[in-house]
Amino acid sequence: NAGVMQNPRHLVRRRGQEARLRCSPMKGHSHVYWYRQLPEEGLKFMVYLQKENIIDESGMPKERFSAEFPKEGPSILRIQQVVRGDSAAYFCASSMTGTGTGYTFGSGTRLTVV
Amino acid sequence: AQSVTQLGSHVSVSEGALVLLRCNYSSSVPPYLFWYVQYPNQGLQLLLKYTTGATLVKGINGFEAEFKKSETSFHLTKPSAHMSDAAEYFCAVSEGETSGSRLTFGEGTQLTVNP
Repeated sequence: NAGVMQNPRHLVRRRGQEARLRCSPMKGHSHVYWYRQLPEEGLKFMVYLQKENIIDESGMPKERFSAEFPKEGPSILRIQQVVRGDSAAYFCASSMTGTGTGYTFGSGTRLTVV
Repeated sequence: AQSVTQLGSHVSVSEGALVLLRCNYSSSVPPYLFWYVQYPNQGLQLLLKYTTGATLVKGINGFEAEFKKSETSFHLTKPSAHMSDAAEYFCAVSEGETSGSRLTFGEGTQLTVNP
């Protein structure tokens, strides 16, 4: 059983470029959560999605950030016009029920903006 | 609303000594509580979780935690530290069976194990 797959593991972008982070949930999981971990900090919730729907995006920055979870394919977290402050580890978690238990985390994507 | 406070951003113990990592939470509904471990440049691995039932929860690698509702605490312990336990530990809370419940994490505790 493959776990939650995130790619790329490491991503380097120059300021002003776009970053696309992908997350394939575990088989049978239809709930996806994205979290961001800034250096020396804990994980902060960004967005919660189900297939084709954004359920809760209250943790997403208002500008430049967007997320989707299409009917087919992985969930995508997109950051436009990246800035140095976007450098962080981005983690995806999936669950079967979305009811507060059974989260499985991916290994994360470490974004570095130069 | 929910929140987590981890007391002590850095804890240092000797190999073989007791490990105690403190976590206090707040939640407006009966919480589910979690401890995760993160090794450098890796993802989060679930150590243990409390949902309902027995308040003393045993996890992997010899760790356990006790849910104390009266103290709103969920401290993590291990009787005897091993060098391989050196890592960062995160306590997290979710709103139980609430649909769409997210995890709220503490700021983490870096555990150092000295030989």
